[in-house]
Amino acid sequence: GESVGLHLPTLSVQEGDNSIINCAYSNSASDYFIWYKQESGKGPQFIIDIRSNMDKRQGQRVTVLLNKTVKHLSLQIAATQPGDSAVYFCAEASWGKFQFGAGTQVVVTP
Amino acid sequence: GAVVSQHPSRVICKSGTSVKIECRSLDFQATTMFWYRQFPKKSLMLMATSNEGSKATYEQGVEKDKFLINHASLTLSTLTVTSAHPEDSSFYICSASPDRGVPDTQYFGPGTRLTVL
Repeated sequence: GESVGLHLPTLSVQEGDNSIINCAYSNSASDYFIWYKQESGKGPQFIIDIRSNMDKRQGQRVTVLLNKTVKHLSLQIAATQPGDSAVYFCAEASWGKFQFGAGTQVVVTP
Repeated sequence: GAVVSQHPSRVICKSGTSVKIECRSLDFQATTMFWYRQFPKKSLMLMATSNEGSKATYEQGVEKDKFLINHASLTLSTLTVTSAHPEDSSFYICSASPDRGVPDTQYFGPGTRLTVL
């Protein structure tokens, strides 16, 4: 069936380095993609989004890349900080409903 | 802006009792809200789509008689877990989609931790 998944369950990053979190999706009908950050015991926090008519979008310290050819989405975090430690989820939207990927735990080490 | 609240944040109940969780959009109207369930170290699983003024739409495998959803106003949706059992213990998260603004946007609540003894 259609699915959204992540390649790496855990990503350990040294403080100051850049982080790259990857996500694969298989529903070619999805036209909207979102990255969320979730800290322990809290709800998802919006990071950045991108629509299917774009291949790159930048925010503050974050960049989302969308490759529709291979159905791949990535989140890049520049100069990773301790406060970036959390679980990151990608989500794809189709017909107004979100399907979330499995999540990647990002651990920032000093 | 775009704040979604949930109440309670934590609830502990005895097996067999019912628990009601509220989801409110504080500064916008939302005809459509969503209820998710999340197990520890797992992803969010969509349970149902809540529509103001009409019946909720449940995802496959979600018991509608077990998880009652009422969307009484444009700012409030409630999820009632009926005859709760320990396997219903989970983190329940709601989201609200603003009636106005960017399409497909969902704002998430802080979640409710349900523990059934």
